[in-house]
Amino acid sequence: AAGVIQSPRHLIKEKRETATLKCYPIPRHDTVYWYQQGPGQDPQFLISFYEKMQSDKGSIPDRFSAQQFSDYHSELNMSSLELGDSALYFCASSLEGGLGMAFFGQGTRLTVV
Amino acid sequence: AQKITQTQPGMFVQEKEAVTLDCTYDTSDPSYGLFWYKQPSSGEMIFLIYQGSYDQQNATEGRYSLNFQKARKSANLVISASQLGDSAMYFCAMREGDTGFQKLVFGTGTRLLVSP
Repeated sequence: AAGVIQSPRHLIKEKRETATLKCYPIPRHDTVYWYQQGPGQDPQFLISFYEKMQSDKGSIPDRFSAQQFSDYHSELNMSSLELGDSALYFCASSLEGGLGMAFFGQGTRLTVV
Repeated sequence: AQKITQTQPGMFVQEKEAVTLDCTYDTSDPSYGLFWYKQPSSGEMIFLIYQGSYDQQNATEGRYSLNFQKARKSANLVISASQLGDSAMYFCAMREGDTGFQKLVFGTGTRLLVSP
């Protein structure tokens, strides 16, 4: 079965650079979530989208923005990168009206140097 | 207050034995969902099992079962017949509310090590 696809899997950026992370949800899933997991930490919710509109917002820095496109894929844009942004970024998708089970992608490991 | 508490930073179990990973939660919402995820060293987050607050029976998925005690607000994961490949980080998570697009709140995780 198709799963959540994230690209790239690994990304190395320098401080103050920008990065774009992409997420392709499971087919027919209409909700996308972004999570950030720092080293040795549990995942923290950043932002979610339902039907291309922001549905909830967590502890997402102002330097980050995200959107969901008409084909339901989502992109997380990160600017003015800081060393502390180094983390594993997960995208998850679910189907609204279902049981709310969220399935995660394999994550993008971002390293800021 | 912590919404999800996992009190065991690490657990050891021998191959073929059963192990219970603890999880307690805190919510005043009558409708919620509880999840367990496995995160191996490769980093991916693998969905294991789900329990809805209104489910009458404990969830089971193969070797995984969820010991759901609603009054005690606990949702422990039981892994039967442990395998070496079960060595990983395990996260308990909760979704509050009954819509599909509610965010998950995670516990701090339990690292499980299965020895031969």
